[in-house]
Amino acid sequence: TQLLEQSPQFLSIQEGENLTVYCNSSSVFSSLQWYRQEPGEGPVLLVTVVTGGEVKKLKRLTFQFGDARKDSSLHITAAQPGDTGLYLCAGEKPGDYKLSFGAGTTVTVRA
Amino acid sequence: EADIYQTPRYLVIGTGKKITLECSQTMGHDKMYWYQQDPGMELHLIHYSYGVNSTEKGDLSSESTVSRIRTEHFPLTLESARPSHTSQYLCASSELRGHQETQYFGPGTRLLVL
Repeated sequence: TQLLEQSPQFLSIQEGENLTVYCNSSSVFSSLQWYRQEPGEGPVLLVTVVTGGEVKKLKRLTFQFGDARKDSSLHITAAQPGDTGLYLCAGEKPGDYKLSFGAGTTVTVRA
Repeated sequence: EADIYQTPRYLVIGTGKKITLECSQTMGHDKMYWYQQDPGMELHLIHYSYGVNSTEKGDLSSESTVSRIRTEHFPLTLESARPSHTSQYLCASSELRGHQETQYFGPGTRLLVL
């Protein structure tokens, strides 16, 4: 059983459209991170959210941490082909330095 | 850009061979990790280290072993490779930023055991 469930598993959209990716769990996390991984490369950290209800913006990307710190979402506005990649969420449980990862959402943005 | 390196990037090897996957970081991080990644599956932590001479098994049982003799180096060894070991292996190191650990990943080693 996965600790973090990501949905959808795959998402294909046209350039200019918006998209939202979800990361859900029944566990509470002290922080939650979002990574993007491109083919042939390792994941690269996009953002860390730590406070329940927190919203962070990174250009066209908006990240939200749920009030109960059990879930998170990533919203991309006006997606571009450069946004194509595997988006992974990872949670850090209280008192534990290790991360638990979701299976990821593969996003494809068509030009 | 993260200064963490993995070699080889790709490896095709026959069953029964001994292999070592190399991982090095130049950031002086104490904590290092090995993950296994398969398509459609979450990253599974197989080994981690919190410093020199410290190694622990992760959440996913693995037949591999690791060593941490130097801070910057965290190699992973398979004594006898099997087809079930075919996977992508990701190495990472981390530092504490504020109160959260930030992990930096290497590019990965894609292993195929025939």
